[in-house]
Amino acid sequence: EVQLVESGGALVQPGGSLRLSCAASGFTFTNHWMHWVRQAAGKGLVWVSRINSGGSTTIYAGSVKGRFTISRDNAKNTLYLQMNSLRAEDTAVYYCARVGTSGDLDYWGQGTLVTVSS
Amino acid sequence: QTVVTQEPSLTVSPGGTVTLTCSSSTGVVTSGHYPNWFQQRPGQPPRALIYSTSNRHSWTPARFSGSLLGGKAALTLSGVQPEDEADYYCLLYYGGADVLFGGGTKLTVL
Repeated sequence: EVQLVESGGALVQPGGSLRLSCAASGFTFTNHWMHWVRQAAGKGLVWVSRINSGGSTTIYAGSVKGRFTISRDNAKNTLYLQMNSLRAEDTAVYYCARVGTSGDLDYWGQGTLVTVSS
Repeated sequence: QTVVTQEPSLTVSPGGTVTLTCSSSTGVVTSGHYPNWFQQRPGQPPRALIYSTSNRHSWTPARFSGSLLGGKAALTLSGVQPEDEADYYCLLYYGGADVLFGGGTKLTVL
């Protein structure tokens, strides 16, 4: 069974940093590209970042470029999102999602809540 | 800045048919945008329904179908069930770094 479990969400002050993790199981992690997607309370889904299977190619939404870094440790079957210079508008539930063999986001984690507030 | 637009809300009767659409501010939506559709129930993560315009996942009920309609991507629900009440999101790929979700459609079954 494919499972994605996010962790690391917390309350952090503006300007602070946080690292999210996404532990993957039930599939061969090294074969799949991965994404981060976020959702503010009561709002829609917003794509954040993507990484290829080997970790060599990453892309970001304009709103997080230069502040967030996506990475992965294939030996640990874990995806990361390092978030720096956090702003109030980064407050959201952050989901990791797998790119399936069909090229779409076929499996999603349950999400982890990040709150940026003083 | 590119914007992907969906109907904010739609209402359908049980057993009825409803079509949700997904348009792009750049113009016609094509198969090259690889339209995806997701369902999200309250308190749950999104669930993939349709990929590459019209392909269902193994878990997607047959009453859900995807297509291109009038320059937009479309998701049609036929024989709507009460459990179909949810938010629905489309996603379009623009190549390179652009991956955009629509604002979502809140579907009410009433």
